[in-house]
Amino acid sequence: QVHLVESGGGVVQPGRSLRLSCAASGFTFSNYGFHWVRQAPGKGLEWVSIIFYDDSQKHYADSVKGRFVMSRDNSKNVVYLQMDSLRAEDTAIYYCARDRGHWTRGTSSFDYWGQGTLVTVSS
Amino acid sequence: QSVLTQPPSVSGAPGQRVTISCIGSSSNIGAGYDVHWYQHLPGTAPQLLIYGNINRPSGVPDRFSASKSGTSASLAITGLQAEDEADYYCQSYDSSLSVVLFGGGTKLTVL
Repeated sequence: QVHLVESGGGVVQPGRSLRLSCAASGFTFSNYGFHWVRQAPGKGLEWVSIIFYDDSQKHYADSVKGRFVMSRDNSKNVVYLQMDSLRAEDTAIYYCARDRGHWTRGTSSFDYWGQGTLVTVSS
Repeated sequence: QSVLTQPPSVSGAPGQRVTISCIGSSSNIGAGYDVHWYQHLPGTAPQLLIYGNINRPSGVPDRFSASKSGTSASLAITGLQAEDEADYYCQSYDSSLSVVLFGGGTKLTVL
């Protein structure tokens, strides 16, 4: 049974950092790419980033490029999102999602999602 | 404003059929990239409803179907049930932006 569990959210001041984690279980972790997707209060879903199954590529939305870094530890079955220089507009629920497709073919879709972790950026 | 355009809301009575459109452009849906659909109940994890334009994951009722043509796609829900009340999102890839795109979302109300 596939499980994705996010953690690390919380309240942080603008300009500070936070690291989110996504612990996976129930499947062969190293075979899959993962994404972070967020939802700001009252808004729709927004794609944030992807990391390939073998850590060979990472891609980011323009809104977070240069501030967020995605990584993975295949020995621990965990994906991370290091978020630096946080802004008020980064306030959102952050979801981890497994990629059932292939980014390079433009077929990425998300077959399993975590429950999300709330990040609030406020002074 | 999303690059993939969905109606903000649709509604229907129990048992009826509703459709949700997703209008893209020549750099995403029109370029041949797959369209996927998700159901999202607030406070829960989004659920994949349709992948690869027309395919249902196991466990998704056949009341849900989808199609794609040109630069647009649509999701159809037949035999509406109260439990279908949720937000629905289309998703694709955009080659000019090199990003995954979500539509703005459509809130389905079952009357």
